[in-house]
Amino acid sequence: AQSVTQLGSHVSVSEGALVLLRCNYSSSVPPYLFWYVQYPNQGLQLLLKYTSAATLVKGINGFEAEFKKSETSFHLTKPSAHMSDAAEYFCAVTGYGNNRLAFGKGNQVVVIP
Amino acid sequence: GAGVSQSPSNKVTEKGKDVELRCDPISGHTALYWYRQSLGQGLEFLIYFQGNSAPDKSGLPSDRFSAERTGGSVSTLTIQRTQQEDSAVYLCASSLEGLETYEQYFGPGTRLTVT
Repeated sequence: AQSVTQLGSHVSVSEGALVLLRCNYSSSVPPYLFWYVQYPNQGLQLLLKYTSAATLVKGINGFEAEFKKSETSFHLTKPSAHMSDAAEYFCAVTGYGNNRLAFGKGNQVVVIP
Repeated sequence: GAGVSQSPSNKVTEKGKDVELRCDPISGHTALYWYRQSLGQGLEFLIYFQGNSAPDKSGLPSDRFSAERTGGSVSTLTIQRTQQEDSAVYLCASSLEGLETYEQYFGPGTRLTVT
């Protein structure tokens, strides 16, 4: 079985500052990891994914994440926050032989002008 | 192209009534998933369809929940005798195939409120 942990349900960041959202996973098989973003009253949109190729993954809207097996982590970063980054962010995992996404609790990001 | 669509966008129903939620996946996607998003439980997997194979129902919370997928395309999630704890946003997703590495594309969801 797979699971992910996201700490800190609400994250406040100043406009222009670094965005860092932490995700740690647990998996009994090689994991595949995803970050999704959800804007109000909308579905989930994929930001980026790790599927065992490059460990540093670049996604849309300037986001990137690094897979670190030794730390069982897949933290999401963006160098400079923009007001449009205000949304909820979910880390999720699947694994070999299991295509059901297991989601973390999410981080609600607030960008302060 | 068109994304995943769901209807209705909002549904208010009385406790004990049955409801049907509809999902139209992206054309050509063989895999279809239902998830539930609620304040208490977060995002949970409910059921998965792949082509003509038997669905994976392992996430359905009770026998009041059922789903079908007709003609390998449109899917309907049915909740019988609704309870207040069924109040949630029900999300549908589709992917090109049911592989673990494939992106799942999500619809906007149906917000269900049971009064």
